[in-house]
Amino acid sequence: AQSVTQLGSHVSVSEGALVLLRCNYSSSVPPYLFWYVQYPNQGLQLLLKYTSAATLVKGINGFEAEFKKSETSFHLTKPSAHMSDAAEYFCAVSERWNNDMRFGAGTRLTVKP
Amino acid sequence: DGGITQSPKYLFRKEGQNVTLSCEQNLNHDAMYWYRQDPGQGLRLIYYSQIVNDFQKGDIAEGYSVSREKKESFPLTVTSAQKNPTAFYLCASSTRTSGNGELFFGEGSRLTVL
Repeated sequence: AQSVTQLGSHVSVSEGALVLLRCNYSSSVPPYLFWYVQYPNQGLQLLLKYTSAATLVKGINGFEAEFKKSETSFHLTKPSAHMSDAAEYFCAVSERWNNDMRFGAGTRLTVKP
Repeated sequence: DGGITQSPKYLFRKEGQNVTLSCEQNLNHDAMYWYRQDPGQGLRLIYYSQIVNDFQKGDIAEGYSVSREKKESFPLTVTSAQKNPTAFYLCASSTRTSGNGELFFGEGSRLTVL
């Protein structure tokens, strides 16, 4: 079955600094990959998704992620952090041919002024 | 507006009581899901349903039950058999395409057992 590993449960950056959240996946078939964001006591919102088109995927709020098959990675980046980016971020994978989406443990992003 | 509505947002339960969490969607999605979220563990799948009157167990179905009598509704019952039910519960839905559909989430229900 597919799975996701997020490296680092907490990441802290200064406002204006680069944001890099790491995600590695395991899948026996070509995967679909997703990044979601969650603000406190709320549901998850989709940031971006990879579904086998361009390997560099642009999402909302200036985030982007690059699918690297050789590294089985789908890291999330943003060139310049904003205070409003502070939240928990989840990487997720689903395999083609089923609707079974699996989530990583999450990375909490803190942005310092 | 289309979306997913979960209720109640906060719920307190005494040990030994069953509780039912409501999830309603007006997105015309075929598939619906229940996840449990605990700190540091991400989201774990409890049950999912891809079509009315059919559902499958996820990774942590023990102590939970669901029904899918209508396309719009997928209630989750947390039974007294669930050993540690205090958690944040998230309902989601998606189109029934081959795994590439994003999940749309409700705002969640926080259950606390007293």
